[in-house]
Amino acid sequence: NAGVMQNPRHLVRRRGQEARLRCSPMKGHSHVYWYRQLPEEGLKFMVYLQKENIIDESGMPKERFSAEFPKEGPSILRIQQVVRGDSAAYFCASSPQGYRDTQYFGPGTRLTVL
Amino acid sequence: GQQVMQIPQYQHVQEGEDFTTYCNSSTTLSNIQWYKQRPGGHPVFLIQLVKSGEVKKQKRLTFQFGEAKKNSSLHITATQTTDVGTYFCAGNTGTASKLTFGTGTRLQVTL
Repeated sequence: NAGVMQNPRHLVRRRGQEARLRCSPMKGHSHVYWYRQLPEEGLKFMVYLQKENIIDESGMPKERFSAEFPKEGPSILRIQQVVRGDSAAYFCASSPQGYRDTQYFGPGTRLTVL
Repeated sequence: GQQVMQIPQYQHVQEGEDFTTYCNSSTTLSNIQWYKQRPGGHPVFLIQLVKSGEVKKQKRLTFQFGEAKKNSSLHITATQTTDVGTYFCAGNTGTASKLTFGTGTRLQVTL
């Protein structure tokens, strides 16, 4: 049973470019969460999605960031017009049910903005 | 908003010594979860506590949930170098609230 998969593992972008991060949840999991982790810091919740629905996006910056979890395919976190401050590790987690469930994390995408 | 703090921020012990990290929430929690993140790795679920005053053990690790469900602790007996990493607690306040992660405690173990 494959775990949560994320790609790419490392992504380098220049300021102003777009970053697209993908997350495939564990088989049977329909709940996906995105977190951001700055170096030497904790995990900050960004968004919680179920298939085709955004349930909670209270942690998402108001501009440039968007997320989706389509009926088919992986969840996508999109960052438009990246800035240096977007450099961080972005982790995706999935669970079979909602918030109170155990969350299984993917290996993360390390985004570096030059 | 809900805040979850952990102390200490960092601890360096010699192998064989014990280690404890404390987790404190500004609000009452419905459950608390603990995760471990190795350097360069991703968080890995360790355990979940739900009941007030609950204590659970996993080999050398002992987890406790406070009576008021606002604090928790993780105690490691006789640390080993494999225990190196950052330990996060995470909790939510109800079925429909997001999981809020603590600030983490980074553990370094040397021989």
